[in-house]
Amino acid sequence: GAVVSQHPSWVICKSGTSVKIECRSLDFQATTMFWYRQFPKQSLMLMATSNEGSKATYEQGVEKDKFLINHASLTLSTLTVTSAHPEDSSFYICSAREGSSPLHFGNGTRLTVT
Amino acid sequence: ELKVEQNPLFLSMQEGKNYTIYCNYSTTSDRLYWYRQDPGKSLESLFVLLSNGAVKQEGRLMASLDTKARLSTLHITAAVHDLSATYFCAVDDLFQGAQKLVFGQGTRLTINP
Repeated sequence: GAVVSQHPSWVICKSGTSVKIECRSLDFQATTMFWYRQFPKQSLMLMATSNEGSKATYEQGVEKDKFLINHASLTLSTLTVTSAHPEDSSFYICSAREGSSPLHFGNGTRLTVT
Repeated sequence: ELKVEQNPLFLSMQEGKNYTIYCNYSTTSDRLYWYRQDPGKSLESLFVLLSNGAVKQEGRLMASLDTKARLSTLHITAAVHDLSATYFCAVDDLFQGAQKLVFGQGTRLTINP
């Protein structure tokens, strides 16, 4: 089955630094990738949608200058959390789909900002 | 704006019992998903329901979809401890044209021996 690889699985960083999370589709062309954030004991909240080669579409309330998304190829999207603060600590999950096929989820990245 | 609501949000049950989780959504959609999430893990796809009246079963779990009522159910038969997890339903937001998934709040299921 389709596999989405997300890296790293967990990361700890200091406040004010930036962190990059990678999301790769291993055996299909991810025409669309989605980035979700999940706080403890809450549901997944969509942050942004990215289509290969074009700018990401951010959900209301998500700062595009803070959460930089790049979808430069059909197999790779990255999320960079810039100038991270403790309130950015969360579980970040990427997902990808080819066309209108069902989504495939990455294993998630747990970000802790100290 | 598409809203997806699950009921109940918390469910504690004994092994061997049956129960149903409900998922209501607010606008037209013909594609509904059920996922399982274990603590600290990402989502595991359980079912994809693509049409009205669709019913799918896998082991002790059965999911159904009624697009006219905008309702999906996830039925658990003779629950076992291994089914303890958080279950999410999600609906494709077709109205927006971007086909993004909107998730319900999740149902935290605890199955006690």
